[in-house]
Amino acid sequence: EIVLTQSPGTLSLSPGEGVTLSCRASQSISTSYLAWYQQKPGQAPRLLIYGASSRATGIPDRFSGSGSETDFTLTITRLEPEDFAVYYCHHYGSSRTFGQGTKLEIK
Amino acid sequence: EVQLVESGGGLVKPGESLRLSCAASGFTFSTYTMNWVRQAPGKGLEWVSSISSNSRYIYYLDSVKGRFTLSRDNAKNSLYLEMNNLRVEDTAVYFCARDFKPQGILAMPAGSWGQGTLVTVS
Repeated sequence: EIVLTQSPGTLSLSPGEGVTLSCRASQSISTSYLAWYQQKPGQAPRLLIYGASSRATGIPDRFSGSGSETDFTLTITRLEPEDFAVYYCHHYGSSRTFGQGTKLEIK
Repeated sequence: EVQLVESGGGLVKPGESLRLSCAASGFTFSTYTMNWVRQAPGKGLEWVSSISSNSRYIYYLDSVKGRFTLSRDNAKNSLYLEMNNLRVEDTAVYFCARDFKPQGILAMPAGSWGQGTLVTVS
């Protein structure tokens, strides 16, 4: 079973800043079956990135994903007020697992 | 428009059972892998189970194996999660989720989600 560890747990930033979130896998995800989700309070998660670096439908290009094997990142350039939320990385395939989440809060 | 509507949640005692349903519309249900993901109050997301488009492949989280059964009825565009011997730690909002793209060679993550149904075991 692959375990995903996200860091940091919480980030305090201001609109306009850029940020990079980290997700580390306990073993290699050689298929790049790694996704990123955004979740706001009281809402279902929203798919941002799949295949480690492909943006889902309608996702702004300020969101980008990269990485391979065990180290993956989600980068958000120029934070908008609506980007403050919790972000989860997710390994999918036959078995699936989520990271514990990174909360992005307004400074 | 893709719609996923969960139902069947509620308050039960430990050891009791519940059956969750998910009614799908707005897409060709029979071509997508479907999933259940749960979220305990104030906690993160936890994948529970997935079923392939023709029900040939079904996968479960280790902690629910032997207690939960996932099934689907493609003629009724519906997904079901039979939950037996419920535990306090199963308390969560349960989301029904459709994979991002139709089942194919490459695996896909969940791309469309319902609003969830709350299961409370107490």
